[in-house]
Amino acid sequence: DQQVKQNSPSLSVQEGRISILNCDYTNSMFDYFLWYKKYPAEGPTFLISISSIKDKNEDGRFTVFLNKSAKHLSLHIVPSQPGDSAVYFCAGRDDKIIFGKGTRLHILP
Amino acid sequence: EAQVTQNPRYLITVTGKKLTVTCSQNMNHEYMSWYRQDPGLGLRQIYYSMNVEVTDKGDVPEGYKVSRKEKRNFPLILESPSPNQTSLYFCASSSDKNFYGYTFGSGTRLTVV
Repeated sequence: DQQVKQNSPSLSVQEGRISILNCDYTNSMFDYFLWYKKYPAEGPTFLISISSIKDKNEDGRFTVFLNKSAKHLSLHIVPSQPGDSAVYFCAGRDDKIIFGKGTRLHILP
Repeated sequence: EAQVTQNPRYLITVTGKKLTVTCSQNMNHEYMSWYRQDPGLGLRQIYYSMNVEVTDKGDVPEGYKVSRKEKRNFPLILESPSPNQTSLYFCASSSDKNFYGYTFGSGTRLTVV
């Protein structure tokens, strides 16, 4: 049973435009949701999180939106930059962190 | 510099030959975890540790062992590696008891032939 789903394996976005990465979950016990970013040959790095009691959290160019009724969250990157090209993992936390399969984001020049 | 250090970065081994992947963190974190990353499957947790001498199974523990004899180290042991354990392995640590805001190591790419 996949508790965290990232249904888009990859996404291509023009530089300067908005990137929207989506994530769905099934576990109602998640109290936090996290996004990690991973470059090739490196470990994932923590990007941004949101508490389950909030619906939005913003940090610079990155904003995460949470829709609890739909069990859906999304990461918005505005404006997209070449350095944003990476794999993004969505994760939910109950007594441990459960990751989705990741979405590879390509920022096109 | 605060970091999680894994060794080796790359390893090719043969089926059945015991190996250990080391993990060390210098942040005095209580909580450590091992993940494997496979194409199409994302990051899956193998084992985790809440403190010294406290370890527990994650989602895919079969074929692996861990130990936590001291706070900074959390080695991953494959007693008898098999080809299906060919994967990219990540160690991670956190100061939060629920693993909020993990710091990951750079990964160990293991190939079992």
